[in-house]
Amino acid sequence: EVQLVQSGAEVKKPGESLKISCKGSGYSFTNYWIGWVRQVPGKGLEWMGVFYPGDSDTRYSPSFQGQVTFSADKSISTAFLQWSSLKASDTAMYYCARQALSSSFDPWGQGTLVTVSS
Amino acid sequence: QSVLTQPPSVSGAPGQRVTISCTGSSSNIGAGYDVHWYQQLPGTAPKLLIHGNSNRPSGVPDRFSASKSGTSASLAITGLQAEDEADYYCQSYDSSLSGSNAVFGGGTKLTVL
Repeated sequence: EVQLVQSGAEVKKPGESLKISCKGSGYSFTNYWIGWVRQVPGKGLEWMGVFYPGDSDTRYSPSFQGQVTFSADKSISTAFLQWSSLKASDTAMYYCARQALSSSFDPWGQGTLVTVSS
Repeated sequence: QSVLTQPPSVSGAPGQRVTISCTGSSSNIGAGYDVHWYQQLPGTAPKLLIHGNSNRPSGVPDRFSASKSGTSASLAITGLQAEDEADYYCQSYDSSLSGSNAVFGGGTKLTVL
């Protein structure tokens, strides 16, 4: 079974750094793009960008370029999303999802809730 | 404002048919990019419902169908059931100066009366 399992909820203060993870299993991790999607509480889905673990090719949404960094550790089939300096406006649920051959996203991780508050 | 426009809400009684529209433009749906649909049940992650405009993944009931025409797409749900109450999102790609980026509709909340 193809599965993505994300790291647990985080509570941080403004200005702190954070790295959350997304572990893939049941497929060849290096052969599929991983997408990241933000969902602010009560709001819709926002595409943040995609990362290709095979060669580290990265494409950021213009809205998130320079705000976050994607990476991966192929040896443990895990993708990462990181912030160097969090803001209160980063408070949201963050999902990773595998980009299928059809360009859709399937499956999705269970989500990681990030709360940034002083 | 989302690049793809969906009605904020739709509703229907059990057993009825509802449709959810997804309106784009010549830089996304009208440019030939496929449309995909996701169902997000309360408190859960989105789940792929339809891919490639009209294809149901294994396990998705045939009560769910979708189509695409011109710069729009639509999702239809027949034989509405209480368990269908969820948020539904369309997704495609959009061409811009920065390349092609995935875009989502703003989401539609389906209420089963």
